Amino acid sequence: NAGVTQTPKFQVLKTGQSMTLQCAQDMNHEYMSWYRQDPGMGLRLIHYSVGAGITDQGEVPNGYNVSRSTTEDFPLRLLSAAPSQTSVYFCASSYSTSGDKETQYFGPGTRLLVL
Amino acid sequence: GDSVTQMEGPVTLSEEAFLTINCTYTATGYPSLFWYVQYPGEGLQLLLKATKADDKGSNKGFEATYRKETTSFHLEKGSVQVSDSAVYFCALSDQDTGFQKLVFGTGTRLLVSP
Repeated sequence: NAGVTQTPKFQVLKTGQSMTLQCAQDMNHEYMSWYRQDPGMGLRLIHYSVGAGITDQGEVPNGYNVSRSTTEDFPLRLLSAAPSQTSVYFCASSYSTSGDKETQYFGPGTRLLVL
Repeated sequence: GDSVTQMEGPVTLSEEAFLTINCTYTATGYPSLFWYVQYPGEGLQLLLKATKADDKGSNKGFEATYRKETTSFHLEKGSVQVSDSAVYFCALSDQDTGFQKLVFGTGTRLLVSP
């Protein structure tokens, strides 16, 4: 299994540009989520999904959109990038019917720089 | 709201030294507690967890005990190795059902020298 994969690994955007961060998992997990990691602030939850077609907001959702059309994929969209969105973004997945709900599996991250 | 407080780093140790990274939490319910580790250039991975008071989580020589009376979950290892150099995050989750929203501490960087 590849686990949780994210693309791209690194991206530079100009203010106002849009882009989609891709996330996929092959563990048949029901739950998927997006976090951002900023210096001195730990990880903060942006959006999460408990299944295909179901999404909800986390702690810092403004400026981001998500959708979940399949169990495997959970893309994160930046509609109009701002310098404040410069961060490292992590996708995570958890919970299959044969496993525990609590352990989250993280992807390797996407480093985003907004100029 | 819920919160997690970790000691600031970096923590710099020589190989084979004893490690303690302090973590305290604030939560309204009875949360599950976690330690995640992030090696350079990688995502986070679960190191250990404890789901109720007095539980001890352990993995790879690391241990942490869920102390409800002091609201703490300190991470310890008796003899660190250079390969333990990483950032360590304490986290909690207090959902009984559904998606487990994790609340993270700010992370503590550990540097182990030969």
